Amino acid sequence: AQSVTQLGSHVSVSEGALVLLRCNYSSSVPPYLFWYVQYPNQGLQLLLKYTSAATLVKGINGFEAEFKKSETSFHLTKPSAHMSDAAEYFCAVSVTGTASKLTFGTGTRLQVTL
Amino acid sequence: GAVVSQHPSWVICKSGTSVKIECRSLDFQATTMFWYRQFPKQSLMLMATSNEGSKATYEQGVEKDKFLINHASLTLSTLTVTSAHPEDSSFYICSARDRVSVGPQYFGPGTRLLVL
Repeated sequence: AQSVTQLGSHVSVSEGALVLLRCNYSSSVPPYLFWYVQYPNQGLQLLLKYTSAATLVKGINGFEAEFKKSETSFHLTKPSAHMSDAAEYFCAVSVTGTASKLTFGTGTRLQVTL
Repeated sequence: GAVVSQHPSWVICKSGTSVKIECRSLDFQATTMFWYRQFPKQSLMLMATSNEGSKATYEQGVEKDKFLINHASLTLSTLTVTSAHPEDSSFYICSARDRVSVGPQYFGPGTRLLVL
């Protein structure tokens, strides 16, 4: 079975600083990987997805993630944090297709300080 | 595009009553919808996969008689929490897959259920 591990349940950065949220996956077959963002009391919004094309994936709001098979990682980055980036971020994996069953990580809460 | 709505966004009910939550895909047809449950400060746990016109597939440990799912049309799936109890209080989120594309799931805004 596939799984994802998000290192760090809480990450705090200063506004303007680099954002790095870590995600490692486990899968016996090539995975599809996703990052979602959740604002308080809201559903999830897709930030970006990896579907076996380019290993560097660019998403919305300036976020990007790089798929590294050798490290089984799919870390999310943003060069410069903005206050509006404060939210909960979830990494997810699917092994049977981009629209099939997702397995979510435990989430990382991003705090952005002045 | 790809908007999923849920209704209601908030519901408070007495223990023992049943609550129905609707999930609609507003601008696309969804052959498959998913229902998730999220406890405070935790991740999403998949409860069931709902396919239009057929019975839902429940994840291990989810009581199918407790959480009734109906996917009667390509734009609507409903989750009914029967005889709700305080431990059923949670944030319920649905998602839908566009039948045409092979894109990702699109998530609804969630429904917060509080059972007194």
